[in-house]
Amino acid sequence: DAGITQSPRHKVTETGTPVTLRCHQTENHRYMYWYRQDPGHGLRLIHYSYGVKDTDKGEVSDGYSVSRSKTEDFLLTLESATSSQTSVYFCAISEPATDTQYFGPGTRLTVL
Amino acid sequence: GESVGLHLPTLSVQEGDNSIINCAYSNSASDYFIWYKQESGKGPQFIIDIRSNMDKRQGQRVTVLLNKTVKHLSLQIAATQPGDSAVYFCAENESHGNNRLAFGKGNQVVVIP
Repeated sequence: DAGITQSPRHKVTETGTPVTLRCHQTENHRYMYWYRQDPGHGLRLIHYSYGVKDTDKGEVSDGYSVSRSKTEDFLLTLESATSSQTSVYFCAISEPATDTQYFGPGTRLTVL
Repeated sequence: GESVGLHLPTLSVQEGDNSIINCAYSNSASDYFIWYKQESGKGPQFIIDIRSNMDKRQGQRVTVLLNKTVKHLSLQIAATQPGDSAVYFCAENESHGNNRLAFGKGNQVVVIP
């Protein structure tokens, strides 16, 4: 699992509530990513981070924000969850020297 | 919930046979490619990678072939086993430095015992 954990692993919430997903790594990698995965789509990048307090948007960033105050933690927040954000969310990390991304186990989020 | 494998092209292969999974990429500037395996309910797992200065790379029971002329990537799995049943997808990185990958939608492999 490349030293990556995600919490919670499953969550059911209601429309309009805030949700925060956590990604934690023990590898001290610089790059961290949040993706969502939906049937019929490949993995789609939401936000990524290239260092502490350094983040940027991906292709599907609307409705999501992120924060990285420590190297090991990358948080994804849905300020007001909507049903379209029901998905499986994956965190990934990478080492610039290799470009390979390693993924966490995922969080299944259901917004009712 | 729905499986990530739903609606994907499916390859059914007899146990012990070889499997070939294909991937077409669109960006001729891509210089690094990765194959991932994703089992149901789990995160994608790195299998093998290849850089654009190579056309073949071998791992344990897996081989990746890269044809830059037609922008095609393939993954060959030798002596397919039941544990190889999963979704396989390719990823490409068109440049160094920003570490952003573009992912294919994947192919479902079903191994028949």
